[in-house]
Amino acid sequence: SQTIHQWPATLVQPVGSPLSLECTVEGTSNPNLYWYRQAAGRGLQLLFYSVGIGQISSEVPQNLSASRPQDRQFILSSKKLLLSDSGFYLCAWSGGTSRFFEQYFGPGTRLTVT
Amino acid sequence: QQQVKQSPQSLIVQKGGISIINCAYENTAFDYFPWYQQFPGKGPALLIAIRPDVSEKKEGRFTISFNKSAKQFSLHIMDSQPGDSATYFCAASKRYAGGTSYGKLTFGQGTILTVHP
Repeated sequence: SQTIHQWPATLVQPVGSPLSLECTVEGTSNPNLYWYRQAAGRGLQLLFYSVGIGQISSEVPQNLSASRPQDRQFILSSKKLLLSDSGFYLCAWSGGTSRFFEQYFGPGTRLTVT
Repeated sequence: QQQVKQSPQSLIVQKGGISIINCAYENTAFDYFPWYQQFPGKGPALLIAIRPDVSEKKEGRFTISFNKSAKQFSLHIMDSQPGDSATYFCAASKRYAGGTSYGKLTFGQGTILTVHP
């Protein structure tokens, strides 16, 4: 079965510091990978989308970047965090055989920028 | 044209009652409509999904009703339980699409459901 991991689970960082969040998927190959941000426990905003290694699509211009160095690894980064970067960051994957359009979410990373 | 509008924002139901959450979409190219359930501090979990070739899909106490002509779909939770208390999100996407639109979900803003014992 497929499993998605995110770490860290929680993170408190000062304004201006760098950020690196990691997501890995097990039990599937060549998944589509997604980064979402959820503010105030409500709506999900798609940040980045990847269909393969090194292929990143950005949905919203912002202070963040994403990379996919390996097939099942997706990284969200920032060089200098802003207060507005606080939120709940979710990684998701889709892919596999016939139900490739179904997205499955990881446990999330709670980021607080102080 | 990419919006999915969800209502109500919050819902309080007594145990054993029926919870109903509604969503409306604009893009007629959408052909996949999932619902997600999210507990506090957790990632959303895929609950149930429907395609526009059927008007209703039932899985246990959860039912999706779909009205293609009205571009609306809804989630019904029968015999609601306190354990159902969570935030529910509807979403929509195109199952088969080329280029960068492939697999992208458009989410509603969520409904916070509280089921009182």
